[in-house]
Amino acid sequence: AQSVTQLDSQVPVFEEAPVELRCNYSSSVSVYLFWYVQYPNQGLQLLLKYLSGSTLVKGINGFEAEFNKSQTSFHLRKPSVHISDTAEYFCAVRGPNTGGFKTIFGAGTRLFVKA
Amino acid sequence: DAGVIQSPRHEVTEMGQEVTLRCKPISGHNSLFWYRQTMMRGLELLIYFNNNVPIDDSGMPEDRFSAKMPNASFSTLKIQPSEPRDSAVYFCASSLGASDEQYFGPGTRLTVT
Repeated sequence: AQSVTQLDSQVPVFEEAPVELRCNYSSSVSVYLFWYVQYPNQGLQLLLKYLSGSTLVKGINGFEAEFNKSQTSFHLRKPSVHISDTAEYFCAVRGPNTGGFKTIFGAGTRLFVKA
Repeated sequence: DAGVIQSPRHEVTEMGQEVTLRCKPISGHNSLFWYRQTMMRGLELLIYFNNNVPIDDSGMPEDRFSAKMPNASFSTLKIQPSEPRDSAVYFCASSLGASDEQYFGPGTRLTVT
């Protein structure tokens, strides 16, 4: 079975500062990794995903994430945040499960960008 | 494509009433998921279907909850009878395949008084 841990429940940061949202996962098999963003009163939207290949994945809105197999991490980064990046971010892992594939979501990290 | 469609967007009902939430996945997607989101418990997977067949319903809270997917373009989540603790935002999501991301609907905000 897989699990996902988002190490920070809230991350306050000033506008134009860099940010890193941390995510660790556990799995005994190969998995697919995702980051989603949820703006207030909306559903989740995909930011980026890692399936295979290059460990540095670039997503929308200037975000990127690096897959580190030895540390079982998939941290999300952005070099310079904007006020509009204020949202909740979810790390997710999807892997084989009995009868099919199942996505496990982390508890979420609320990013709050201050002016 | 219009994306995942959910209805209603908001539902307010009294305790004991039956509630039915509806979802239309993206055409061609073969997996459908129902989630519940609350401040206390975060995002919880309730059930998911693959090719219209329920694969894992271990997240369904209790027998008051049931879900169906009669065809590839429609699914329902029913709560009968509803209770105040069922108040939450319910999301439906669909995906094309095992390695693909999920596309979420806008959610249904359920309030049970």
